[in-house]
Amino acid sequence: AAGVIQSPRHLIKEKRETATLKCYPIPRHDTVYWYQQGPGQDPQFLISFYEKMQSDKGSIPDRFSAQQFSDYHSELNMSSLELGDSALYFCASSQARQTYEQYFGPGTRLTVT
Amino acid sequence: RKEVEQDPGPFNVPEGATVAFNCTYSNSASQSFFWYRQDCRKEPKLLMSVYSSGNEDGRFTAQLNRASQYISLLIRDSKLSDSATYLCVVNPGGYNKLIFGAGTRLAVHP
Repeated sequence: AAGVIQSPRHLIKEKRETATLKCYPIPRHDTVYWYQQGPGQDPQFLISFYEKMQSDKGSIPDRFSAQQFSDYHSELNMSSLELGDSALYFCASSQARQTYEQYFGPGTRLTVT
Repeated sequence: RKEVEQDPGPFNVPEGATVAFNCTYSNSASQSFFWYRQDCRKEPKLLMSVYSSGNEDGRFTAQLNRASQYISLLIRDSKLSDSATYLCVVNPGGYNKLIFGAGTRLAVHP
């Protein structure tokens, strides 16, 4: 079965640079979620989109922004990167109005040097 | 206090053992409950949803007690491949965020 696709899988950036992470949800899933997992921590919710509209917002820094496009893929844009932004970034998708279950992509490992 | 609390473990058990994980949540309005499994540096994978009536999937049994705000996962006949971190996860409502516990590490040894 098709899964959530994330790209790139690994990304190395320097402080103050920008990064763009992409997420392609499971086909027919209309809701996308972004989570950040720091070393030794549990995943923390950043933001979600349903039908291209922001549906919920968590602890996402103002330096980050995200959107969902007409084909339901989503991008997380991160600017003025800081060392503390180094983490695994997971995208998850679900089929709203059908189930609350979320399925996660393999993640993007971001390292800020 | 975290919204979802779990015993961090680690639980070190021999193959074939039965092991139980417990979890409590603080938001009584929470609507959906899950157990996810996470292997080192990999994505969380949905193990099972947890229903009020309790549910079973092969060697795995999950229970929910809404009155006590308590969730459990029982693994019978542990396999080496069960070694992972088990995350108790709660949806506080709607088609929105999941709230994760810190996870319980399980190590199954021969």
